[in-house]
Amino acid sequence: DIQMTQSPSTLSASVGDRVTITCRASQSISSWLAWYQQKPGKAPKLLIYKTSTLESGIPSRFSGSGSGTEFTLTISSLQPDDSATYYCQQFNSYSGTFGQGTKVEIK
Amino acid sequence: EVQLVESGGGLVKPGGSLRLSCEASGFAFSSYGMNWVRQAPGKGLEWVSSINSLSTDKYYADSGKGRFTISRDNAKDSLYLQMNSLRAEDTAVYYCAREGWGRKAFDIWGQGTMVTVSS
Repeated sequence: DIQMTQSPSTLSASVGDRVTITCRASQSISSWLAWYQQKPGKAPKLLIYKTSTLESGIPSRFSGSGSGTEFTLTISSLQPDDSATYYCQQFNSYSGTFGQGTKVEIK
Repeated sequence: EVQLVESGGGLVKPGGSLRLSCEASGFAFSSYGMNWVRQAPGKGLEWVSSINSLSTDKYYADSGKGRFTISRDNAKDSLYLQMNSLRAEDTAVYYCAREGWGRKAFDIWGQGTMVTVSS
C-alpha cells in the first residue's frame, strides 16, 4: 500500500505569512494528489486536486505543486480563516491513503 | 443543492453489526464513484471503501476487508456500508464522499455519522 507522510505535524504562523506543507508518497503517484482542509466538527473540504488544480470557490492564496513522490501545499498569505487541519491524499479507485494531517495555527 | 446525508450510526457492542446509509441529492448519483471515509475521535482521516458507478468494482482498506461491504442502489440515490464483527477500533465518524469527475479526489462530503463500538 502507498503511504503518505506529511510534515510538519503542526505549525504556527502569523497572519500574512507564507506557509508550506509537504507531503511525501512512498512510491510515485504521478500527479494524482489532493489536498483537503478540515475544521473542527466539520467534514473535510477539497482544496486542490491533481497536484495543482484549485477546486471551484477556493481562494487563490492556496496553491499546490510537485510530482512523483513529493508535493507541497502553499498558502501565500495566511488568513485567520485558514486555521484548520490540512490533509493530503492519493486515490486511485482501488485504494486511498491520507497523510496524517498538518494542524495550522494562527499566532 | 448538491448534498450527501449519512444515517445509521449509533452505539453497538463489540462483535455486532451496523448498516450505514448515505442519501444523495442534487446530482446524477448513478454517474459517480462513491466512497466511505472514517475519522476516529481526535485522529486523522482513513479511507474505508470505494465503489464505482455500476457497482462492478469495490475496494476496501485492509482494516475492513472481510468485515465491511459497500453497496449502492442507483434507483434510490443511496450508498451503503454494511459493517459486521465490529471492534472498538472501528469507533469513528463515518463520512460518505463523492469522487469528482476527473479529479481522483473527493469533492462532495456528507456531514458524517458517528459509530461507537463499546460494551
